[in-house]
Amino acid sequence: EIVLTQSPGTLSLSPGERATLSCRASQSVTSDYLAWYQRKPGQAPRLLIFGVSSRATGTPDRFSGSGSGTDFSLTISRLEPEDFAVYYCQQYGSPLYSFGQGTKLEMK
Amino acid sequence: QVQLVESGGGVVQPGRSLRLSCAASGFTFSGYGMHWVRQAPGKGLEWVSFIPFDGSDNYYADSVKGRFTISRDNSKHTLYLQMNSLRPDDTAVYYCARDTYHLGPFDLWGQGTLVTVSS
Repeated sequence: EIVLTQSPGTLSLSPGERATLSCRASQSVTSDYLAWYQRKPGQAPRLLIFGVSSRATGTPDRFSGSGSGTDFSLTISRLEPEDFAVYYCQQYGSPLYSFGQGTKLEMK
Repeated sequence: QVQLVESGGGVVQPGRSLRLSCAASGFTFSGYGMHWVRQAPGKGLEWVSFIPFDGSDNYYADSVKGRFTISRDNSKHTLYLQMNSLRPDDTAVYYCARDTYHLGPFDLWGQGTLVTVSS
């Protein structure tokens, strides 16, 4: 099983700032099958990024994903008030999926 | 409206069983693989199980293998999770989620149903 470790656990930033969230895998992720989800209180998770860097339908272009192998990141270029949420990375493509423990992006 | 609606959660004693359902609407259910994911209180998301579009196979996390069974009835547009030998650490909100393609990311989630395992 691939273990995903996200950092930092909590990130405190202000609207307009740039956010960079990290996701490190315990072994290389198959074919770059790495996704990012956004989770707001009381809502179901929302797929933001898949295949490391492809934006899902409806994902604003201020969100971008990058990385390869075992190190991945999600960048939000200019934070909007609605971006403050918990973000999870996920590896897929094999029968045993796994999620990171999440990064909480909070407003400073 | 494209949606997934879970049901069947509740309070159950350790060692007992529970069956969760996930009703799909607004899309061709039989064309998609489906997953169960759970989130324990104060914890992150944990993938539980996957079933392909035709129910031809199934996969489980080690934590539930041998105790949980995933199934689907495409004629009823419904996904199931039979949970046996429940333990306190199975306490969580259980979500069903739609696979974008075979073993892909999840593009549609339900709102979840809470399962509490407690004596």
